[in-house]
Amino acid sequence: AQRVTQPEKLLSVFKGAPVELKCNYSYSGSPELFWYVQYSRQRLQLLLRHISRESIKGFTADLNKGETSFHLKKPFAQEEDSAMYYCALRGGSQGNLIFGKGTKLSVKP
Amino acid sequence: DSGVTQTPKHLITATGQRVTLRCSPRSGDLSVYWYQQSLDQGLQFLIQYYNGEERAKGNILERFSAQQFPDLHSELNLSSLELGDSALYFCASSSGRVLKYSGNTIYFGEGSWLTVV
Repeated sequence: AQRVTQPEKLLSVFKGAPVELKCNYSYSGSPELFWYVQYSRQRLQLLLRHISRESIKGFTADLNKGETSFHLKKPFAQEEDSAMYYCALRGGSQGNLIFGKGTKLSVKP
Repeated sequence: DSGVTQTPKHLITATGQRVTLRCSPRSGDLSVYWYQQSLDQGLQFLIQYYNGEERAKGNILERFSAQQFPDLHSELNLSSLELGDSALYFCASSSGRVLKYSGNTIYFGEGSWLTVV
């Protein structure tokens, strides 16, 4: 079964501290993995996708197939990073997204 | 701006009523997806259409239905509404074509807030 697990509901850090948002997935084939960010219940915005291996707003994520993980990292958190972060899996290039429950990141000054 | 347009932005209705949520995908996108976001269930995939045809079905209740029209816009119909249907309903779209390197990104609209009282 396809499943995405984000073990932390809430992650609170101080400004300038490193951040790691955990994501584990369950999928039998080769999935596409994504991170979406949602500010104050607005629309979901694509943050990262593993295919492009890009860095957006200082965030990076590496797909670890051995550990079936796709953790999101940032070396120095900023207050404007406070938001809900969703990890998502897609079974094929034309399929729908399966989301984790999300992690609320709170960056304190 | 993602290019995905949803109307209405906010809607308040009574239990037992029926509402229709509308979505215009990004220009050229053939696939449309509907998601429900509630506090207790998180983001739930409801249904996907591709070029007018239903492609995939998720946790969509029988009281809910959707369709995609020839001009590719989509509507989500919610009937016999219950208090628990109060949620943020997202529409999303993607090109639907097999793109080798781009990953065929799914873009989300602003959502329609539905409150059932």
